[in-house]
Amino acid sequence: DQQVKQNSPSLSVQEGRISILNCDYTNSMFDYFLWYKKYPAEGPTFLISISSIKDKNEDGRFTVFLNKSAKHLSLHIVPSQPGDSAVYFCAARDYGGSQGNLIFGKGTKLSVKP
Amino acid sequence: DTAVSQTPKYLVTQMGNDKSIKCEQNLGHDTMYWYKQDSKKFLKIMFSYNNKELIINETVPNRFSPKSPDKAHLNLHINSLELGDSAVYFCASTRTGRETQYFGPGTRLLVL
Repeated sequence: DQQVKQNSPSLSVQEGRISILNCDYTNSMFDYFLWYKKYPAEGPTFLISISSIKDKNEDGRFTVFLNKSAKHLSLHIVPSQPGDSAVYFCAARDYGGSQGNLIFGKGTKLSVKP
Repeated sequence: DTAVSQTPKYLVTQMGNDKSIKCEQNLGHDTMYWYKQDSKKFLKIMFSYNNKELIINETVPNRFSPKSPDKAHLNLHINSLELGDSAVYFCASTRTGRETQYFGPGTRLLVL
């Protein structure tokens, strides 16, 4: 059973517009949520994280929103750039249950068109 | 300066062989992990090591054995390779208590 779900396998956005990537989770014990970006043939690169006690975290063009009641988080990229084209993984940490390992979603492939 | 490095990047081998993948981090972290990304693209935890002690061991066949000679290295040894072991293996590291893990570039293993 998937504890972290990314239901959209792909997303296509025009350059300069907003990209919204979504993630749902089932375990209410997760204490941190993270977004990773992955280019082909490379490892995942950390992008941004949010603590479960917050509802928003912003870093430049990237903002993550957390809705705990809905067990849903989203990553907003504004404005989107062609270099943002990659696979984005949502991940969650259950520190109490698994001592820190991350549980990943399946990823969403973002394509930003010039 | 490579933070988390893995060797080799590509590994093609025959069924039944034994192989090792090496991982090194120069971030001063004390916890290291091995993840497997299978054909369905899921990234799943295999092992983690904290201060040279195994603290997580998910349902991974005992043909897989992690070995950590020191805090900066976590190698993965695989015995009697099977076709289903073909995947991309990622090493990661973090400092105990921190949520952010830093990943290596991956090792693409193909078992023929």
